[in-house]
Amino acid sequence: KNEVEQSPQNLTAQEGEFITINCSYSVGISALHWLQQHPGGGIVSLFMLSSGKKKHGRLIATINIQEKHSSLHITASHPRDSAVYICAALGGATNKLIFGTGTLLAVQP
Amino acid sequence: SAVISQKPSRDICQRGTSLTIQCQVDSQVTMMFWYRQQPGQSLTLIATANQGSEATYESGFVIDKFPISRPNLTFSTLTVSNMSPEDSSIYLCSVESRDSSYEQYFGPGTRLTVT
Repeated sequence: KNEVEQSPQNLTAQEGEFITINCSYSVGISALHWLQQHPGGGIVSLFMLSSGKKKHGRLIATINIQEKHSSLHITASHPRDSAVYICAALGGATNKLIFGTGTLLAVQP
Repeated sequence: SAVISQKPSRDICQRGTSLTIQCQVDSQVTMMFWYRQQPGQSLTLIATANQGSEATYESGFVIDKFPISRPNLTFSTLTVSNMSPEDSSIYLCSVESRDSSYEQYFGPGTRLTVT
């Protein structure tokens, strides 16, 4: 079992839909990152969370430390949101990022 | 935040040759990381490069195959040596924020294809 699990692996949505991507982890962490990777390969850091909730534009990230679970929400989704979304846990013991396998999101017009 | 650039952005190389990837940051950082992302896979940490010391390699990665230089606080190189098709991957460098806020920033990646 991976230390960081994401679901779903693939997600297809219609433009305007509300999207949720889930991340569960089994290790102690210092922080959790949500990353976005476009087809070209470059990675953009969307959020870094250690507790609670953060919002940036149409993106919202939440984390529940007790349940070891985080979610990334996209409101009013748009085709330009199509990308791979990766959660990565910063291991509390190792101080290294442990990556989930990613969620491939396709938003259709 | 930190802005990271990588060169080259992509390359196609012959097996048996070597490629050096450069990573430049617009601010001084202590820790730089090199990752590999094989096709369809998530990122795997190759090594951590601190200025003024030898890079620390993860299990499965060795210095002879992936030599790293870190001559100053804004620059690092990763060389992929004696390449084989299995080395075809995206290679990314990242840096950790100097204010120890756990923020990490990633470069645009180098897409390597070995034929």
